[in-house]
Amino acid sequence: GESVGLHLPTLSVQEGDNSIINCAYSNSASDYFIWYKQESGKGPQFIIDIRSNMDKRQGQRVTVLLNKTVKHLSLQIAATQPGDSAVYFCAENWGAAGNKLTFGGGTRVLVKP
Amino acid sequence: GAGVSQSPSNKVTEKGKDVELRCDPISGHTALYWYRQSLGQGLEFLIYFQGNSAPDKSGLPSDRFSAERTGGSVSTLTIQRTQQEDSAVYLCASSRNTGSYGYTFGSGTRLTVV
Repeated sequence: GESVGLHLPTLSVQEGDNSIINCAYSNSASDYFIWYKQESGKGPQFIIDIRSNMDKRQGQRVTVLLNKTVKHLSLQIAATQPGDSAVYFCAENWGAAGNKLTFGGGTRVLVKP
Repeated sequence: GAGVSQSPSNKVTEKGKDVELRCDPISGHTALYWYRQSLGQGLEFLIYFQGNSAPDKSGLPSDRFSAERTGGSVSTLTIQRTQQEDSAVYLCASSRNTGSYGYTFGSGTRLTVV
């Protein structure tokens, strides 16, 4: 079936550098995307979302980019901090799915001091 | 409550036993979801409740799995005759309504079947 996937399972980044987490999706009908952050022992936490009528959306230190042509989603974290160490998931939704989200496999981000 | 509360946080059970996992959503949230997360994996949709509508059970992996939501609030996920492959973290989430996808997740119940 159609699914959301991630290119890099683990990303090591130096503290203060920018991080880029990538996600590929295969359902061309998807019209809503979310990035979640999951710290050890906790449930996923909403970071930022974007609708398919947008290419870019910015939050606090985070930016989500959507390229519908190649079905690619990315999360950019500026000035990565130790507290950013976590697993990051992208998720997609399409109208026929109701409120269900399809999650990718996750990327672990390790911030080196 | 202030957040989504799940209990127990950890559960170890013997193969073949039944287990019940509880979720208390955020007050006022009408939508409630159950997802399963196997070790090192993404989240797998199980079931979704919205108000008084019939639940979307399309993600339940077998008839050993069932869930109910009483009074539009607390939900219980029941797994009968547990198998080792049921071992996972079971996550509950709630959202304000059907138009809100920014779920708030609980911390999950880690189920280990031995």
